Amino acid sequence: GAVVSQHPSWVICKSGTSVKIECRSLDFQATTMFWYRQFPKQSLMLMATSNEGSKATYEQGVEKDKFLINHASLTLSTLTVTSAHPEDSSFYICSALDRGGGPTDTQYFGPGTRLTVL
Amino acid sequence: KNEVEQSPQNLTAQEGEFITINCSYSVGISALHWLQQHPGGGIVSLFMLSSGKKKHGRLIATINIQEKHSSLHITASHPRDSAVYICAVSKTGNQFYFGTGTSLTVIP
Repeated sequence: GAVVSQHPSWVICKSGTSVKIECRSLDFQATTMFWYRQFPKQSLMLMATSNEGSKATYEQGVEKDKFLINHASLTLSTLTVTSAHPEDSSFYICSALDRGGGPTDTQYFGPGTRLTVL
Repeated sequence: KNEVEQSPQNLTAQEGEFITINCSYSVGISALHWLQQHPGGGIVSLFMLSSGKKKHGRLIATINIQEKHSSLHITASHPRDSAVYICAVSKTGNQFYFGTGTSLTVIP
């Protein structure tokens, strides 16, 4: 099946720094990617929808100036957590939509990035 | 109220047992998904359903559109099946709405 990678898989940073997380679709072109956040023992929460070549659509309550999303190519979307604080510590997961041309599109998930802000 | 409800939240089973996880949703959907999340965090898509039943190995997923309900069954459960199983629904635009997950532990 299709593969989605994330880099880094984990990162520890100091409060106030910015962290960039990359999400790549390795063997298909993804015009749409999604960014999720997951707190311990909770389900995934959609943060934003990233569309190639256009601005991301953010869910209510998600600060677009804090969580910068760039989808500059059909295989890469990046999430930058700006001026990170300890409350931003979480597990961030991306997914990519494979519009394979069949009757239904398939969404593939990345392995996630664990961010710890000290 | 969450758009997607799962039960049970936690489940412990003996190896070999037949396992059922239930999912109910309250909105119109284009598809229902069953996902598996391993302890390391990675998510694997198990099934995508819009009607009927699908089977893959020891896993079976069913959906009843009229009742807005789906079940995931695991036959002959094994310790490697231990994971969190997440039900998610997709509406138009392919955005997912997730249940809170069912944490399954299969004891040898």
